[in-house]
Amino acid sequence: RKEVEQDPGPFNVPEGATVAFNCTYSNSASQSFFWYRQDCRKEPKLLMSVYSSGNEDGRFTAQLNRASQYISLLIRDSKLSDSATYLCVVNIGPGGSYIPTFGRGTSLIVHP
Amino acid sequence: AAGVIQSPRHLIKEKRETATLKCYPIPRHDTVYWYQQGPGQDPQFLISFYEKMQSDKGSIPDRFSAQQFSDYHSELNMSSLELGDSALYFCASSPRQAFYGYTFGSGTRLTVV
Repeated sequence: RKEVEQDPGPFNVPEGATVAFNCTYSNSASQSFFWYRQDCRKEPKLLMSVYSSGNEDGRFTAQLNRASQYISLLIRDSKLSDSATYLCVVNIGPGGSYIPTFGRGTSLIVHP
Repeated sequence: AAGVIQSPRHLIKEKRETATLKCYPIPRHDTVYWYQQGPGQDPQFLISFYEKMQSDKGSIPDRFSAQQFSDYHSELNMSSLELGDSALYFCASSPRQAFYGYTFGSGTRLTVV
């Protein structure tokens, strides 16, 4: 079982739709959580960090549920330009390692 | 703002040849990570360095080695290349605790023929 699991999708949604992705992690000692966006054949780019209290950045909302060991990403009012793969990234922190561990990624396709 | 610089962007090698990939981290980032990403796969951790010392080791083949130099740039050396080594190789850098995430370079696309 992978340490970080994501539904690979693809999620195929119309413009303007709201879409949500979940990511589960197996190590309860995990301390830092991030969502990255990766376009085809490009490098992953940080979309947002995920904080315990949840956080929002424009149309994007990230939440952390430590009890159930998952994080989520909500995208409102989807744009064509949101089409990409969204990678969940977790690190354990000082108790283990700061190595970013990736999920397989969730593919989002936004169509007109 | 300065980003993580990787070179070369593209590399074509024949089987059994060697390749050297370079990574220049963001200034004042003391930790460098190397990843291999095959088609349709998530990035697989190879190796990391903190303050010029090897920090963690992942699924790096014995044919590969890496080091971090005094100026914090890192090099991934790959020998006896195999067809299966064809992939995107990313370098990322961060401060040690990475509270604010990691910054990736644009990657080196290695094709072994």
